[in-house]
Amino acid sequence: AQKVTQAQTEISVVEKEDVTLDCVYETRDTTYYLFWYKQPPSGELVFLIRRNSFDEQNEISGRYSWNFQKSTSSFNFTITASQVVDSAVYFCALIENNAGNMLTFGGGTRLMVKP
Amino acid sequence: DGGITQSPKYLFRKEGQNVTLSCEQNLNHDAMYWYRQDPGQGLRLIYYSQIVNDFQKGDIAEGYSVSREKKESFPLTVTSAQKNPTAFYLCASTEGLRTEAFFGQGTRLTVV
Repeated sequence: AQKVTQAQTEISVVEKEDVTLDCVYETRDTTYYLFWYKQPPSGELVFLIRRNSFDEQNEISGRYSWNFQKSTSSFNFTITASQVVDSAVYFCALIENNAGNMLTFGGGTRLMVKP
Repeated sequence: DGGITQSPKYLFRKEGQNVTLSCEQNLNHDAMYWYRQDPGQGLRLIYYSQIVNDFQKGDIAEGYSVSREKKESFPLTVTSAQKNPTAFYLCASTEGLRTEAFFGQGTRLTVV
């Protein structure tokens, strides 16, 4: 069965620090999709990125970057020069190819960025 | 603006009551989902619907019921059989298979 683990439950940094959020997944499928979502205090989840298992290229979007490594089953998320507005709960999630649209979520990492 | 609207934002339920959470979307998405979030935990799937008039149980369906009579609407009823209903409930929709989900702002349900 699929599983997503976010070992860091809470991280606290000072503004402008870089921070990496870890995500480790388990799946028996060779085809799968990984996601990151941000949950600000308002509550709704905001989509950040989707990556399929055949695309191991790292991705950068502004201050955000993602490192996908199949060899270690990890899909880590780095925020460079963190800002107070980055404070939120971040979720990593997985969809297996044979699971339709069923997202399996990790437990989330609460990031607190202090001024 | 296209999106998902959940109502109410806060809901209080007495012991033994059924309550219904509303979820409406104007994104023209076929698939809709209900998730439950408990403090410090990830989201768990309650029910999902891939198409009108069809829905399936997720991982924690006991004590909940849904209907999908219209494409835009996917209400969730929390019945008295749900022994621990206090949680944050999120509705979502997707356009296609294995694509990103769009979420509503959630309903916080509290048993009083």
